[in-house]
Amino acid sequence: AQKVTQAQTEISVVEKEDVTLDCVYETRDTTYYLFWYKQPPSGELVFLIRRNSFDEQNEISGRYSWNFQKSTSSFNFTITASQVVDSAVYFCALIAGTASKLTFGTGTRLQVTL
Amino acid sequence: ETGVTQSPTHLIKTRGQQVTLRCSSQSGHNTVSWYQQALGQGPQFIFQYYREEENGRGNFPPRFSGLQFPNYSSELNVNALELDDSALYLCASSRPNTGELFFGEGSRLTVL
Repeated sequence: AQKVTQAQTEISVVEKEDVTLDCVYETRDTTYYLFWYKQPPSGELVFLIRRNSFDEQNEISGRYSWNFQKSTSSFNFTITASQVVDSAVYFCALIAGTASKLTFGTGTRLQVTL
Repeated sequence: ETGVTQSPTHLIKTRGQQVTLRCSSQSGHNTVSWYQQALGQGPQFIFQYYREEENGRGNFPPRFSGLQFPNYSSELNVNALELDDSALYLCASSRPNTGELFFGEGSRLTVL
């Protein structure tokens, strides 16, 4: 069975602060993909990143960066210099082995204020 | 914009009624998945269709059923609606084994 844990329910920061969203996953499969999605109030899940289990390189995309550590089963997401438009719910998710489904965490609501 | 469209965007039903939700997948995607997202929760996998056949199912009762059509669009049907079925229903399309899912904006169902 797969499991994704996002322990932070809600985070509030002031604009321009850096913020890290935590994600811990569980799976017995050696082949898996990890994802982060952003869900604004409109409801659509916006794809941010996909990482496969064989690629532990950290990735940076503009103000976004991801830290994948298999040793701690974590896939954390950092937003640098946060902006009000970053306010949303962020989900970490996992597809493992031959499973056809995404297993989501419960999400972290990020509130960025001026 | 992902190219995945869902309809209706909002609807209200009463307990015991039946509902059909529709999803048009992104061009070239032959796999469609449906997820239920209750308020304040992460999406939960309902089932997936690949080439018109069910290809995986989550922990949902048989009154949740689906169809995929030759053009890869899909329907989710829920019979005998219960209050707990109130949720956002998300459709995602993909090509198989790519690990890339593209979600629509969802259909928000309220059961009174």
